[in-house]
Amino acid sequence: QVQLVQSGAEVKKPGASVKVSCEASGYTFASYGITWVRQAPGQGLEWMGWISAYNGDTNYAQKLQGRVTLTTDTSTNTAYMELRSLRSDDTAVYYCARESFDLWGRGTLVTVSS
Amino acid sequence: DVVMTQTPLSLSVTPGQPASISCRSSQSLLHSDGKTYLYWYLQKPGQSPQLLIYEVSSRFSGVPDRFSGSGSGTDFTLKISRVEAEDVGVYYCMQGIHLPVTFGGGTKVEIK
Repeated sequence: QVQLVQSGAEVKKPGASVKVSCEASGYTFASYGITWVRQAPGQGLEWMGWISAYNGDTNYAQKLQGRVTLTTDTSTNTAYMELRSLRSDDTAVYYCARESFDLWGRGTLVTVSS
Repeated sequence: DVVMTQTPLSLSVTPGQPASISCRSSQSLLHSDGKTYLYWYLQKPGQSPQLLIYEVSSRFSGVPDRFSGSGSGTDFTLKISRVEAEDVGVYYCMQGIHLPVTFGGGTKVEIK
């Protein structure tokens, strides 16, 4: 079954870091990049960045540059999104999607609260 | 960044009636490869976005043919020929040619 399975919800304090995983199955992982998109409560969709699962090349949204790191582990077909120095406005559902945008994970809620 | 402007913000539609959503981009979405990288998604309540249309007018696998996309350059339209109850949710357009990828603000479709 072709799917992206994301890790579970997280609650973090301001200033902390979070790392969300996205495990791919049912297709050749290295053939597609992975895009990360987030959605704050009641808001629209925001592109965070992209990583090639083939060679690890990345592109990041400028507003997140320096706080976000995308990585992949081809041995486990898993992509990771790490966001550092968390703020309350980072509270959102974080989605991974195949780069063709035809396959999405179910999302991971990250809540940043003191 | 390319700004994607969707109208209207919301639609209330009687089942069986048509619906239309407009999306305008601040820059052309026509790539040198001849393709136009404009996508449409539906996000049903509590779910992830799901791809409906890619490259302006190509329906994704399994998408009913009551959904159609059209347009060129900077102006695009999603049409639903006969709205059904399962079509409720928020529709987003997205451009995939210029980084950062950007989305429209969304159009909420509800059933009367």
